[in-house]
Amino acid sequence: NAGVMQNPRHLVRRRGQEARLRCSPMKGHSHVYWYRQLPEEGLKFMVYLQKENIIDESGMPKERFSAEFPKEGPSILRIQQVVRGDSAAYFCASSPRPGAAQETQYFGPGTRLLVL
Amino acid sequence: DAKTTQPPSMDCAEGRAANLPCNHSTISGNEYVYWYRQIHSQGPQYIIHGLKNNETNEMASLIITEDRKSSTLILPHATLRDTAVYYCIVKPRGSQGNLIFGKGTKLSVKP
Repeated sequence: NAGVMQNPRHLVRRRGQEARLRCSPMKGHSHVYWYRQLPEEGLKFMVYLQKENIIDESGMPKERFSAEFPKEGPSILRIQQVVRGDSAAYFCASSPRPGAAQETQYFGPGTRLLVL
Repeated sequence: DAKTTQPPSMDCAEGRAANLPCNHSTISGNEYVYWYRQIHSQGPQYIIHGLKNNETNEMASLIITEDRKSSTLILPHATLRDTAVYYCIVKPRGSQGNLIFGKGTKLSVKP
């Protein structure tokens, strides 16, 4: 039973480039959450998606960040024109639908983004 | 802001039980208590959760007080690999909400 998969595990970008982070949820999970962890800080919620829908993006920076979870394929967190302050670990979690008998969020190993 | 309060750090001797407390005095009747841990910048690992009854699984036990205002996570025989930051989180059942992580408790298991 594969867990939540994230790739790449490490990503290096220069300022101004684009970063694309991918997340494949656990089998049977239709809900995906993205969290960011800045160096020496706690995890902060960014966005919550179902297939083809953004449910809650209250934690997303207003500019340069976007997320999608298409009908087919992984969820993508996209950061345009990266800046040094975007350097962080980005974690994806997945869960079954809320209200299901087991609605626990399970996390992937994260993508560590370094912006030079 | 996190709705839980945890001590910033704790030490435990290897092989002994680690008891990690959490205060959640404003918890609502439909909110679960979840515990996760993060081992040295790995992804958070789910440990256990409960509503009002005590719970046990292969990793840990969760003891929730009768008034539900506090709980304790128990690792019965701590090992060096249990060294991690432990997070106590309250979350309404059935909500579409995200998890709100506080600062957690840094547990150091020492030989």
